[in-house]
Amino acid sequence: AQSVTQPDIHITVSEGASLELRCNYSYGATPYLFWYVQSPGQGLQLLLKYFSGDTLVQGIKGFEAEFKRSQSSFNLRKPSVHWSDAAEYFCAVGAEGSGGGADGLTFGKGTHLIIQP
Amino acid sequence: DVKVTQSSRYLVKRTGEKVFLECVQDMDHENMFWYRQDPGLGLRLIYFSYDVKMKEKGDIPEGYSVSREKKERFSLILESASTNQTSMYLCASSLPGHQFFGPGTRLTVL
Repeated sequence: AQSVTQPDIHITVSEGASLELRCNYSYGATPYLFWYVQSPGQGLQLLLKYFSGDTLVQGIKGFEAEFKRSQSSFNLRKPSVHWSDAAEYFCAVGAEGSGGGADGLTFGKGTHLIIQP
Repeated sequence: DVKVTQSSRYLVKRTGEKVFLECVQDMDHENMFWYRQDPGLGLRLIYFSYDVKMKEKGDIPEGYSVSREKKERFSLILESASTNQTSMYLCASSLPGHQFFGPGTRLTVL
């Protein structure tokens, strides 16, 4: 069965500093990988996704993620965070055969990002 | 823009009540999903549906059922609500490779 691990429950970063959120997955075949963000009181919004091709993926709001098959990782990065980036971040994996999650996604437990002024 | 709406943002019910959570999407998507979200556990898939009258169990279907009579509407049913079903419930619909989420329903079972 597929699984996703986000090792950091909470991360605190100063505004303007760089950010990296870690995600490790377990999946036997080629995974479809996603990062979602959930702001307080809001639904989940897709930041970026990886299916194939270039392993460095650009997303919305200045985020990027790098797929590293050898490390089973898909870490999310941002060079300079803003106070509005404070939110919960979820990494997710979908099965290739399902067209990238057509039979549901498996989510990590989330990382809560706190921005210090 | 794709819109996924859920009938209630907040709901309070009593133990043993039958509870219906409604979800509607406006983009003619075939696939729809129900997840529950709990602190420290992330999102877990309860049920999903490929098409009208089709349903599949997710990872935690116990205590829940679903109904999909029309393509745009996917209902989650708690036949007899229990306190351990207090949670945030998120509905989603999808194109291949992209799930669109509703705002969620925070259900409290007393």
